[in-house]
Amino acid sequence: DTAVSQTPKYLVTQMGNDKSIKCEQNLGHDTMYWYKQDSKKFLKIMFSYNNKELIINETVPNRFSPKSPDKAHLNLHINSLELGDSAVYFCASSQEVGTGNGYTFGSGTRLTVV
Amino acid sequence: SQKIEQNSEALNIQEGKTATLTCNYTNYSPAYLQWYRQDPGRGPVFLLLIRENEKEKRKERLKVTFDTTLKQSLFHITASQPADSATYLCALDPTGRRALTFGSGTRLQVQP
Repeated sequence: DTAVSQTPKYLVTQMGNDKSIKCEQNLGHDTMYWYKQDSKKFLKIMFSYNNKELIINETVPNRFSPKSPDKAHLNLHINSLELGDSAVYFCASSQEVGTGNGYTFGSGTRLTVV
Repeated sequence: SQKIEQNSEALNIQEGKTATLTCNYTNYSPAYLQWYRQDPGRGPVFLLLIRENEKEKRKERLKVTFDTTLKQSLFHITASQPADSATYLCALDPTGRRALTFGSGTRLQVQP
């Protein structure tokens, strides 16, 4: 009955590889997000989708590409991984974006690039 | 530029006391502000929302105030317990941006 689930929880990969992180929410929310938390624990918005439409695309390298096949899923694909991509990536969802409803976060994916 | 500032130093208090955490922001006009709790290795968990026309909000042992003139929110935990030990994040949505911007968080340690 997990509300927002991400897979995998841990991901260790070599520089230059391509990897994907999957996210699913069963809350019926219409907006989903990807956040990156760096080593200093600072959470930064990367992307947000509302009903499968991209509404926020922060200054993120083109190597990062989100994909939303339906409003319950938002996956993150990363090409040509670099050392600096190592971080914890959180998926989140909310209902009625802009109204102040709280976000529900997944438990995170710890990505380590070696 | 827009900033959200939380005290980066850890806050250590004794069990039973009231913990007060501060969130200051500049160059925003938020319609609301939210507080989250994050435990190590976990995602943030939503605690409270306060809107710009509300001065104070309470939920059990938690109280949040919002002063749009001072551009500051205070988060209080009364009768604190060791289980309250965690990092607390404030977050707001800059007008029209439609996604939360988070502060860097303040780590609270409640000593038994």
